Amino acid sequence: AQTVTQSQPEMSVQEAETVTLSCTYDTSESDYYLFWYKQPPSRQMILVIRQEAYKQQNATENRFSVNFQKAAKSFSLKISDSQLGDAAMYFCAYRSAWGGSEKLVFGKGTKLTVNP
Amino acid sequence: NAGVTQTPKFQVLKTGQSMTLQCAQDMNHNSMYWYRQDPGMGLRLIYYSASEGTTDKGEVPNGYNVSRLNKREFSLRLESAAPSQTSVYFCASSEARTGFNEKLFFGSGTQLSVL
Repeated sequence: AQTVTQSQPEMSVQEAETVTLSCTYDTSESDYYLFWYKQPPSRQMILVIRQEAYKQQNATENRFSVNFQKAAKSFSLKISDSQLGDAAMYFCAYRSAWGGSEKLVFGKGTKLTVNP
Repeated sequence: NAGVTQTPKFQVLKTGQSMTLQCAQDMNHNSMYWYRQDPGMGLRLIYYSASEGTTDKGEVPNGYNVSRLNKREFSLRLESAAPSQTSVYFCASSEARTGFNEKLFFGSGTQLSVL
């Protein structure tokens, strides 16, 4: 079974600075998808960024980018120019690429605090 | 554009009581999901429905039942609530069943406490 590990329960960053959230995963599959979700105090889960495992190029969405290291099974999220609105829980998630796989496997989350 | 709507937002039950959590989406999505989120844990899948008329168990289905009433609505029922079911429950929907292009849209959650 696949597992997702987020080793940092909490992180903090100064406004306008850069922070990196760590995520590692364990799988025997070669094709899969990885996601970062943001959960602000409103509780609603919001997709931040996603990566296809067969793509070597790291995904980027505005101030959010990932460092995907397939061999190391690592998928970290970098937030540049941090803003107060980035404060939230961040969840890393894994999904098999095989048809019929319905389950997103989530890590336990990292709470990000942004200090003004 | 409401997206995914869950009701109620908060609920307190006594052990043994029953209740149904309602979920509706207005995006014409085929797939719908129920997750639970416990403190210090990520989301865990309870049940899902790949299309109208079908439902399947997820990771933690025990103690729950679901109904896909129509394409829009997917309800979660607790027949006899237990303290272990105290959690935040999220409904989600997506257009695609699997794969990269699937984007999950989540509701705002239901905080359930079972005393």
